[in-house]
Amino acid sequence: GQSLEQPSEVTAVEGAIVQINCTYQTSGFYGLSWYQQHDGGAPTFLSYNGLDGLEETGRFSSFLSRSDSYGYLLLQELQMKDSASYFCAVVFYGQNFVFGPGTRLSVLP
Amino acid sequence: SAVISQKPSRDICQRGTSLTIQCQVDSQVTMMFWYRQQPGQSLTLIATANQGSEATYESGFVIDKFPISRPNLTFSTLTVSNMSPEDSSIYLCSGKTRDTQYFGPGTRLTVL
Repeated sequence: GQSLEQPSEVTAVEGAIVQINCTYQTSGFYGLSWYQQHDGGAPTFLSYNGLDGLEETGRFSSFLSRSDSYGYLLLQELQMKDSASYFCAVVFYGQNFVFGPGTRLSVLP
Repeated sequence: SAVISQKPSRDICQRGTSLTIQCQVDSQVTMMFWYRQQPGQSLTLIATANQGSEATYESGFVIDKFPISRPNLTFSTLTVSNMSPEDSSIYLCSGKTRDTQYFGPGTRLTVL
């Protein structure tokens, strides 16, 4: 089967750095993606790791290690608007993505 | 990024009625999916919409309850049939390009 695990909630203050982890028990996938979803909104694509290592996109970075079955999303210089739910998703060729349970990030002033 | 539109954005329906949700994607999209999301929960895949043939449903979802059409590459509909309050949820259309999946704005359905 395919399963992903994420912390259910994370809290941090403005300006801080936060890391949201995603561990998985699956194989045969070709990448890991991250999505952001604000309350009442649709999930929006943040990043994609097709290869092991770090991908950086502005304040957001994402990391994948297939040997450790592990990835994370790193958010730097946190802003209040970063308060949202974050989902990791395993990418399979020719199939839908499999989404993790989501992590609710609360950024405090 | 792919552009996905969905309508209606929200609706309030009576028990026993049906609602059809429409989704339009741009030509970058190769696969289309329908998801359901309860408040505070993750995304649950209902089915993969196949062009010109019957959709592929996930466990727990059946065609009689959630008929899906995809008459061409860029358009699909999901019908929620014989609704009950348990069907109240957000329904999301999604389109996949080569390696990224995009979502429509969602339809917030409330069944009374």
